[in-house]
Amino acid sequence: ETGVTQSPTHLIKTRGQQVTLRCSSQSGHNTVSWYQQALGQGPQFIFQYYREEENGRGNFPPRFSGLQFPNYSSELNVNALELDDSALYLCASSLYRDNEKLFFGSGTQLSVL
Amino acid sequence: SQQGEEDPQALSIQEGENATMNCSYKTSINNLQWYRQNSGRGLVHLILIRSNEREKHSGRLRVTLDTSKKSSSLLITASRAADTASYFCATGAGTALIFGKGTTLSVSS
Repeated sequence: ETGVTQSPTHLIKTRGQQVTLRCSSQSGHNTVSWYQQALGQGPQFIFQYYREEENGRGNFPPRFSGLQFPNYSSELNVNALELDDSALYLCASSLYRDNEKLFFGSGTQLSVL
Repeated sequence: SQQGEEDPQALSIQEGENATMNCSYKTSINNLQWYRQNSGRGLVHLILIRSNEREKHSGRLRVTLDTSKKSSSLLITASRAADTASYFCATGAGTALIFGKGTTLSVSS
């Protein structure tokens, strides 16, 4: 088990709503990344935060946004939810920005109806 | 888009047998990592191999890397039922890790 915790574990929303997912990083890790994993697929990179600043972004629209706090916890916000946003959302923390070893949380399963 | 592609997509073996899964990638890399994911849960880092390494061992895991063929393989020896999971290779691309679609391994007792 890693020291990365995510909440909630499951969430059901309807199309058009907004959602906030939370992540608490492993102690001492100043970098957090968020990934989206659709059923049967590998995780896809959404963005990375390093010391409270966005440090890279994948091919996701601006309605996906994030925050990292001084204690290195993090949030992922998704506005105007679409059916295709249904997925497992994974948070991963690391000691450095180079992604040489990511520590993943157990994820939040989001269902959009 | 996905950089790594694992092969096979699914693999079923008996306990005690060896499991080999392969990964191909498209661009030059600094390192390649393998992760395991138990059903519906987070990923666990297994092993990292750098581009100047050809083989690396960790317990029952052996990873090889052939940069000329842009491919890697993960061998799990003496498989156990607890090894049942999905296995992903991942390569770095700036701040992102790019994952393949994974190999689903089923080990039956």
